[in-house]
Order: sequence, then C-alpha cells, then structure tokens
Amino acid sequence: DAMVIQNPRYQVTQFGKPVTLSCSQTLNHNVMYWYQQKSSQAPKLLFHYYDKDFNNEADTPDNFQSRRPNTSFCFLDIRSPGLGDAAMYLCATRQELSSQPQHFGDGTRLSIL
Amino acid sequence: RKEVEQDPGPFNVPEGATVAFNCTYSNSASQSFFWYRQDCRKEPKLLMSVYSSGNEDGRFTAQLNRASQYISLLIRDSKLSDSATYLCVVIVSGGYNKLIFGAGTRLAVHP
Repeated sequence: DAMVIQNPRYQVTQFGKPVTLSCSQTLNHNVMYWYQQKSSQAPKLLFHYYDKDFNNEADTPDNFQSRRPNTSFCFLDIRSPGLGDAAMYLCATRQELSSQPQHFGDGTRLSIL
Repeated sequence: RKEVEQDPGPFNVPEGATVAFNCTYSNSASQSFFWYRQDCRKEPKLLMSVYSSGNEDGRFTAQLNRASQYISLLIRDSKLSDSATYLCVVIVSGGYNKLIFGAGTRLAVHP
C-alpha cells in the first residue's frame, strides 16, 4: 500500500502557467520534503516542513512555494514555470528525531510546453 | 567540494560479477547513512541502512568507515535486475537533521 502518494504522476503545463503538485502521506511523519530531480543528478532539496515550520533552502527560486495545511498533505506551487523547471518532483516524509530514512512518493514528472 | 561524493560510473559488469561502490562524505556531524536504489524515471527506494559494524542483506553488503568518512556497497553475484543508479544518502545532525544525497553511481549488468 502506497504510504506517500503524489498526484498527478505526469503533469504538462504551459510556460508561465501556474501549476500545483500534491503529496499526501499515511505515515503521520512530522517532516515532509520536496525535491527537484533532473536527469542524471541527485535529488535537490527545495524545502521541507517540520510540522508547520517551513524551511526554505537558500538557493530555492522564489518561483517555488509550498503549503502544508495539515500533517497529511503538502503542496508544491510553481507560480510561473519556465522551461528549466521541467523535472521530476519528489515528495518524501520522515519522522524527525529518529535515525529512520525517508520514504518517497512515486514522483510527479513535470513537462513545460 | 560536494558534501557527499560518488563515482558516477557507469559500471558495466557481466552477470555474476561482484561490484563495489564507494561514497565519501565531508561532514563529520554525519550520523546516519543509507543506500538507495533508483531505477530510470522512478523514485529512489531504500536499499539498506548502513551500520557502524557493517551489515549484509542477501547479496548486498554495506560498510561504514567513520575514521575515513566513507561508505561502501558491495553487490555479489550481480543480476540483470540490479541495473540501476545507487544513491548514497547521509543524515547530518543539526537544528533540523539534513539529508544529503550523492549524485549516484550507475550500474549496468549485462548478460
């Protein structure tokens, strides 16, 4: 049973048209992460939530925003997607203050037309 | 210097071969270590945690050398299905524990 669920699996949007990616979890983990992964590169952390505390990576563009309305859901909003934002977006969860690894969703592959 | 470094490969090996990957990390505050496997266009999946005493899971053996700050993964009797990218992941303790990914090592097992 999927524990970290991302929707949609594939998203196509137009250049400059806002898009929202969603992630939900059934693990009740207190930390949720959003990563961007481009071909042959490591996943790049965009931001994470520790409960409701939002933590932005210093090099995450302003174009990327996130919301976590409750423990189970987290959203990634891309306000004005550019061609360079085409990538796989991975959501992951983890229980902080443990040595446990992250659990990843299947990812959303974003294409920009 | 990257915080977690891996040889990108690709490692091209025949079925049945033994192959080893290394990963080095620079932050001495690193506290937990993992190997993930990622298939093409799929999400990373946990392969195994890495413990100080070394640990084995079937054909896979992971080792940690804290003094030299490196982690290794050994795969014995390689199968075609082992072809994937192997990501080294390190948890660095801090205000919020931070997960650092290596760029991955690509393995291609051929008949």
